[in-house]
Amino acid sequence: QKEVEQDPGPLSVPEGAIVSLNCTYSNSAFQYFMWYRQYSRKGPELLMYTYSSGNKEDGRFTAQVDKSSKYISLFIRDSQPSDSATYLCAMSGAGKSTFGDGTTLTVKP
Amino acid sequence: DSGVTQTPKHLITATGQRVTLRCSPRSGDLSVYWYQQSLDQGLQFLIQYYNGEERAKGNILERFSAQQFPDLHSELNLSSLELGDSALYFCASSYNSGTVNSYEQYFGPGTRLTVT
Repeated sequence: QKEVEQDPGPLSVPEGAIVSLNCTYSNSAFQYFMWYRQYSRKGPELLMYTYSSGNKEDGRFTAQVDKSSKYISLFIRDSQPSDSATYLCAMSGAGKSTFGDGTTLTVKP
Repeated sequence: DSGVTQTPKHLITATGQRVTLRCSPRSGDLSVYWYQQSLDQGLQFLIQYYNGEERAKGNILERFSAQQFPDLHSELNLSSLELGDSALYFCASSYNSGTVNSYEQYFGPGTRLTVT
């Protein structure tokens, strides 16, 4: 079993929709949680970073962490075609970082 | 632009050959990470260096090796190349000091390796 499981997708939504991207993890040592966006196999770009349970908001993006359930989510409000990309969750702790396999999102105009 | 640079952008070589990929981290970052991303697969962590020393090892093959130099740039050496080694290779960097550990990694644009 993988330490990090990410909803595989792909996901296709109309412009303006709210998108929910999700990951679960099994390693309790993970204390830092990140979301990356990757366009067309370019270098992943850091979107959000948090280390505590709860919500963190940045513009149209909200990262949610529930450490008790070992579950993290990224919400995208008012999704735009430019949000079409692969989203990767990542988790770190005890000197280790692990990435999810990614969810490919397509936002249709 | 993340501030992490990688060269070359593309590399085409034959099976059995050896190649070297180069990475320069963001200014001030002491840690360098290497990842492999094959077609339709996620990022596979290969190895991490911190200030010149190996810090963590992932699924790195024995045919692969890396090092980080005093100026903090890093090189990933891939030898006895096989067709299955064709992939994107990413370098990332993060800031870590004796008392501060940042897990935010900033990725370079990658090197696309094609083995024929």
